[in-house]
Amino acid sequence: RKEVEQDPGPFNVPEGATVAFNCTYSNSASQSFFWYRQDCRKEPKLLMSVYSSGNEDGRFTAQLNRASQYISLLIRDSKLSDSATYLCVVTLNTGFQKLVFGTGTRLLVSP
Amino acid sequence: GAVVSQHPSWVICKSGTSVKIECRSLDFQATTMFWYRQFPKQSLMLMATSNEGSKATYEQGVEKDKFLINHASLTLSTLTVTSAHPEDSSFYICTASQGLMETQYFGPGTRLLVL
Repeated sequence: RKEVEQDPGPFNVPEGATVAFNCTYSNSASQSFFWYRQDCRKEPKLLMSVYSSGNEDGRFTAQLNRASQYISLLIRDSKLSDSATYLCVVTLNTGFQKLVFGTGTRLLVSP
Repeated sequence: GAVVSQHPSWVICKSGTSVKIECRSLDFQATTMFWYRQFPKQSLMLMATSNEGSKATYEQGVEKDKFLINHASLTLSTLTVTSAHPEDSSFYICTASQGLMETQYFGPGTRLLVL
């Protein structure tokens, strides 16, 4: 079983749509949670941290459910520039802060 | 702030040759650097962790004699892929941080193609 599981997609949505991604993680000792964005042939870039209380950054809302070991990302009013792969990332304390990545969910926003 | 560079950004080499990839922290001292690789349509996987002046710690399944890591200064770590083979073709990404539990800043990655 993968440590972090995501639906690979792709999710094809029109501009202006709302789209939601989900992620589950297997290790209950996971400490911190993030969504990263990765464009084709580029390094991942931090999109936002994820907290149990939920957090919002503009059109992006992230939520963590520790009991279900489930993380979500909601994108409202999708833009063409949102097209990318969204990586769910958790951290484990293994003597250092180990980042564990999901394979990512690909989003394609079309005109 | 917190800029990390990698060189080269891409490299093509023949099977059997060795390739060195550099990772530099440009505006901070990185006591810890991490090396990841990402195969197409797969997740980033941690290969090894290196602390300045110490031997690297490799993840299970990563051959330390094949992937040589040197972290001789607080701003530079190198990954040498020895006797590269086509299956080593991948996207190699480094991250740098100011400590084992600190935020990791990503380099732009190096794309390696072994023919």
